[in-house]
Amino acid sequence: SAVISQKPSRDICQRGTSLTIQCQVDSQVTMMFWYRQQPGQSLTLIATANQGSEATYESGFVIDKFPISRPNLTFSTLTVSNMSPEDSSIYLCSVVSGGTDTQYFGPGTRLTVL
Amino acid sequence: DQQVKQNSPSLSVQEGRISILNCDYTNSMFDYFLWYKKYPAEGPTFLISISSIKDKNEDGRFTVFLNKSAKHLSLHIVPSQPGDSAVYFCAASANTGNQFYFGTGTSLTVIP
Repeated sequence: SAVISQKPSRDICQRGTSLTIQCQVDSQVTMMFWYRQQPGQSLTLIATANQGSEATYESGFVIDKFPISRPNLTFSTLTVSNMSPEDSSIYLCSVVSGGTDTQYFGPGTRLTVL
Repeated sequence: DQQVKQNSPSLSVQEGRISILNCDYTNSMFDYFLWYKKYPAEGPTFLISISSIKDKNEDGRFTVFLNKSAKHLSLHIVPSQPGDSAVYFCAASANTGNQFYFGTGTSLTVIP
């Protein structure tokens, strides 16, 4: 399976600021995704990060709030913009490794917005 | 609209006994199912999967059963070990590599 790292692992941010989360994979992958896990809830897909084109957002998520970049097949960033306390969550990137149907997850970024 | 449901938020089992975690889904188009294990402050770790052409898949102490007619799957852990204590998520997908729908998780505690 792919080895996935995320930076930062956690952060505490002030309301109204933005945070960019990085996801790095040790091999080229076709599919990369960004998820959110709010306290006590399941994992919710934010968007699919597409290499070389705009991300595909799920219902309830918009590019202005969660801009995503994917400049190549091993790296992606998710920005949480104009944060509010409701954005406090764990943000996870995941990939589908070549030749499998399984998603593998990064370690997550725990975000607290004050 | 929760398409994948785990109705038991928590489960406690004695070490050495069997742990059974349940998952129900509503979308008959789902054809691939996975279980993930998550420790606090870590990302989910893939555990075991099953495709809809099978009704059982086994990997060591972990077995997943799929009942398509009932839209139900379960994860059996035998024997349970204290290190199995974690939150377990089931997930389902209708297309290879596309969106996965996750349940809300079941917190398993294995008592030594």
